[in-house]
Amino acid sequence: QSALTQPASVSGSPGQSITISCTGTSSDVGNYNYVSWYQQHPGKAPKLMIYEVSNRPSGVSNRFSGSKSGNTASLTISGLQTEDEADYYCSSYTTSSTLLFGGGTKLTVL
Amino acid sequence: EVQLVESGGGLVQPGGSLRLSCAASGFTFSSFEMNWVRQAPGKGLEWVSFISGGGSAIYYGDSVRGRFTISRDNAKNSLYLQLNSLRAEDTAVYYCAREGRVYSFDYWGQGTLVTVSS
Repeated sequence: QSALTQPASVSGSPGQSITISCTGTSSDVGNYNYVSWYQQHPGKAPKLMIYEVSNRPSGVSNRFSGSKSGNTASLTISGLQTEDEADYYCSSYTTSSTLLFGGGTKLTVL
Repeated sequence: EVQLVESGGGLVQPGGSLRLSCAASGFTFSSFEMNWVRQAPGKGLEWVSFISGGGSAIYYGDSVRGRFTISRDNAKNSLYLQLNSLRAEDTAVYYCAREGRVYSFDYWGQGTLVTVSS
């Protein structure tokens, strides 16, 4: 199984909004509402930001939101802050009872 | 406080074996499904394996199936990953992760580095 498709990089200025896409197939993203998003700063473990497409764990800023349409899920970060600069990964459950991650997107806050 | 602490990583030759451990604390370990996720140097995340709370359901990623074995000891609050027939491409930081939400990992360990090289 190939990784979910994410843009390699996105950038934005403080205060702006950005959206990161995550494209899969009807065997994963399109078939389940089990898409998650993780934030990873250099040298650190990933942090769960969104689960089940659009739900935020306790403690995660409401500047982070998720959505899905067909085979593509999206993570939107509004009011960009410098500390949002990190790598972001999506993941999805699959019809093979496995989990697929996206290739990762490097967010640069200019 | 939930804590996951991995150990057992190191340098191993191609074809060799290694056993990783993950010590859990701060929650009822047996009530949670657990996973291993790895990350090759400078690369993205790759899901490796899943085990249910009681250990009856186990799944593996395609790249490790038949070579790696996941297990758990709920009496010791510990998760394990036996790595056999290791290849250079298995070089990565291996994380254990708690599945706190369905198919989502809410707590991660700090990771343990496995390097496969001659």
